[in-house]
Amino acid sequence: DAKTTQPNSMESNEEEPVHLPCNHSTISGTDYIHWYRQLPSQGPEYVIHGLTSNVNNRMASLAIAEDRKSSTLILHRATLRDAAVYYCILRDLISNFGNEKLTFGTGTRLTIIP
Amino acid sequence: KAGVTQTPRYLIKTRGQQVTLSCSPISGHRSVSWYQQTPGQGLQFLFEYFSETQRNKGNFPGRFSGRQFSNSRSEMNVSTLELGDSALYLCASSLESRSTYEQYFGPGTRLTVT
Repeated sequence: DAKTTQPNSMESNEEEPVHLPCNHSTISGTDYIHWYRQLPSQGPEYVIHGLTSNVNNRMASLAIAEDRKSSTLILHRATLRDAAVYYCILRDLISNFGNEKLTFGTGTRLTIIP
Repeated sequence: KAGVTQTPRYLIKTRGQQVTLSCSPISGHRSVSWYQQTPGQGLQFLFEYFSETQRNKGNFPGRFSGRQFSNSRSEMNVSTLELGDSALYLCASSLESRSTYEQYFGPGTRLTVT
């Protein structure tokens, strides 16, 4: 699996935008960029994914660099409920055996300051 | 639609015993994956089942096994428990066994081995 690099931790003030970076310099042309987050005492939760173009959904936006070697998860207006560990994961579109496993790194622990 | 459910939520076992954990996926989902989460190793993939067949397997000893039933429900078994097996065991379901589909996680079963 291609490797991703994320900062260990970040802090943000409540109601301000948050930009969570992820580097994936060895990404292949068929890798999707997925983001999951894990709130305290819960299982991971899907946030968003994309391939080349920027993506938006009700939770967040995903900005993908033109060379695809990095991406940024954007929370437009952070709330206390967004405090979690955020994982950036690469998943190969073409896999031999189907649903290739999610390979979680250490993620970024996001702290929201009231 | 009901989410992924896991039973039991908490379990205490002693070394040498065996344990069976259960996972009910979201209705209509045919892929079920299992993960182990520990403070030291983070989230690690155990195995994935699709249509009652194991499709993918992580690097865990043979003491860890699983199965999937015709209704997509899945069980995970750990035999001859060791202290190091203490962890949060997470189950995730997905519509199909393809990397383009997001996985939905359950709340997990916290296993303590004494």
